Amino acid sequence: DTGVSQDPRHKITKRGQNVTFRCDPISEHNRLYWYRQTLGQGPEFLTYFQNEAQLEKSRLLSDRFSAERPKGSFSTLEIQRTEQGDSAMYLCASSPEDQGAGANVLTFGAGSRLTVL
Amino acid sequence: DQQVKQNSPSLSVQEGRISILNCDYTNSMFDYFLWYKKYPAEGPTFLISISSIKDKNEDGRFTVFLNKSAKHLSLHIVPSQPGDSAVYFCAASVTGTYKYIFGTGTRLKVLA
Repeated sequence: DTGVSQDPRHKITKRGQNVTFRCDPISEHNRLYWYRQTLGQGPEFLTYFQNEAQLEKSRLLSDRFSAERPKGSFSTLEIQRTEQGDSAMYLCASSPEDQGAGANVLTFGAGSRLTVL
Repeated sequence: DQQVKQNSPSLSVQEGRISILNCDYTNSMFDYFLWYKKYPAEGPTFLISISSIKDKNEDGRFTVFLNKSAKHLSLHIVPSQPGDSAVYFCAASVTGTYKYIFGTGTRLKVLA
């Protein structure tokens, strides 16, 4: 297994277009997370899946954002009607179900950088 | 409301010396903390963690200290190496919530 894969690595789009990012987690990890990172900031939590169930969504995730994880494997994050403020690095991470009390170490992918013109 | 703060945006250290990166948090419910390192164009890489039941955890050149009463943790790197030059993030979580809150990062530059 080569770790968490994200595709595409870079996406440039015009305002108002839709974009979709894909994340392939480590195969034995049943937990999957999406984070967003903007310049000078740390990663901000967007949403979390356990298997195919989306268990938590940040209020940062407006109704233009939707995430899915069909069959509990790969995940997609779609942004509809993109705005310039959506420009950021979108990071996916995964973790195993139980690493012990509190020991939920996230393994991140390299990220998908979105630029909205 | 920034629950996890890294007040030093950057730090420069000579090779071979100690690097100390600091992190403060406000939420007393946080009970698990991680440090990540990030190189440009890569995702964050896990470095070391600490649970609130401990006040120190060591892994090779990296040691994390936790002061619960002060709501403060620090990462010590000894000796610092040029390859340690990266952005370091601390992250905090409440067990069972599965959500980590990250600080804004500290850019470490180790000078050869």
